[in-house]
Amino acid sequence: SYELTQAPSLSVSPGQTASITCSGDKLGDKYVSWYQQKSGQSPLLVIYQDNKRPSGIPERFSGSNSGNTATLTISGTQPMDEADYYCQAWDSSTAVFGGGTKLTVL
Amino acid sequence: EVQLVESGGGLVQPGRSLRLSCAASGLTFGDYAMHWVRQAPGKGLEWVSTISWNSASVGYADSVKGRFTISRDNSKDSLYLQMNSLRAEDMALYYCAKDIRAVGGTEGGYLDHWGQGTLVTVS
Repeated sequence: SYELTQAPSLSVSPGQTASITCSGDKLGDKYVSWYQQKSGQSPLLVIYQDNKRPSGIPERFSGSNSGNTATLTISGTQPMDEADYYCQAWDSSTAVFGGGTKLTVL
Repeated sequence: EVQLVESGGGLVQPGRSLRLSCAASGLTFGDYAMHWVRQAPGKGLEWVSTISWNSASVGYADSVKGRFTISRDNSKDSLYLQMNSLRAEDMALYYCAKDIRAVGGTEGGYLDHWGQGTLVTVS
């Protein structure tokens, strides 16, 4: 079965750029979505179709996808961005989620 | 505003059954595929099942295939998950989520709205 791999954790200082990666076989051939989940809350879509932002998502969130790696980039990270981030792609009509990356902003 | 409200969770013994519901509002429910996604305590997201707008196409994760059945009633703007033969490993917070497309599992689709979840405890 298809797998998406994410680093379990990432720490950045406020104002720095956070790059959260997601790897999978030929992932660049698929569309990737990214979901943010703050503690005690439901997941929130922050990036879809590799690099598109839903309305209401700040411009500091951006995405890219090429080769075997998709990247969610948060420029000028703010304390409110502290959350778990999950990548997701489709494989054989099933949704596959990465294991999630816990972003700490300190 | 789109709202998805799950219900039906609770404490159930291993081997028993439970039926989850998801009531949708603020959208034309019958236009979209829907999904169930679960999250075990302290763990990541796991996709469970999807159903197309007209119920013609359904899909399941291998972990629940043959035990869970997804369904919908567009006249009631509602999504369901019938869970049979429950196991300890099914214990999780179950979210319903709306797909942007009419048929789930298609390239380019994504889950743009999520409910708050309903907790299933198997013990």
